[in-house]
Amino acid sequence: TQLLEQSPQFLSIQEGENLTVYCNSSSVFSSLQWYRQEPGEGPVLLVTVVTGGEVKKLKRLTFQFGDARKDSSLHITAAQTGDTGLYLCAGAFDGNNRKLIWGLGTSLAVNP
Amino acid sequence: GAGVSQSPSNKVTEKGKDVELRCDPISGHTALYWYRQSLGQGLEFLIYFQGNSAPDKSGLPSDRFSAERTGGSVSTLTIQRTQQEDSAVYLCASSLDPLANQPQHFGDGTRLSIL
Repeated sequence: TQLLEQSPQFLSIQEGENLTVYCNSSSVFSSLQWYRQEPGEGPVLLVTVVTGGEVKKLKRLTFQFGDARKDSSLHITAAQTGDTGLYLCAGAFDGNNRKLIWGLGTSLAVNP
Repeated sequence: GAGVSQSPSNKVTEKGKDVELRCDPISGHTALYWYRQSLGQGLEFLIYFQGNSAPDKSGLPSDRFSAERTGGSVSTLTIQRTQQEDSAVYLCASSLDPLANQPQHFGDGTRLSIL
């Protein structure tokens, strides 16, 4: 059973465009993490959101945690080719990062 | 500082052979995880080590898979009598106390191909 649904699965855009990817669940998480994975490398943590309604910004990336802590979104403004990669979300229960629930990821290609 | 190191980065072997994959976690990290990542399958949890506690082996797909962590540091994942369906990227991660919301830090993985 896939508890974390990520959408879209694939996204191909031109440099300079804006985009939003989503991470949805029917479960309530104590926290949710976003990772980016580039080809041939391991996932790298971008951000952790903990509080319902929380918004965090990382340069051109804006992360939001849903009020009910069941979903999250990642918005990228003016995408660059360096943003290309697989974006993964992972949810934790009860403050325990040991058994994360992973989404399948959104594969983003930003074309020059 | 040094991140999580995995070796080899690539491994090609024949069906039926045994393979050993190695993970050097970040120094001081008490928790160590192994995952398998296949196309379209996402990250599949395999096994978790935390300090001196008994490992959580609940994700190991069959008894051909085993792992150990010596001295609370380096870990080895062993796959015996490899099958073609074992082909995947095997990722290792380490962290400080996961109960304190500490994030996982990943190595670059070992890409395993079974011919």
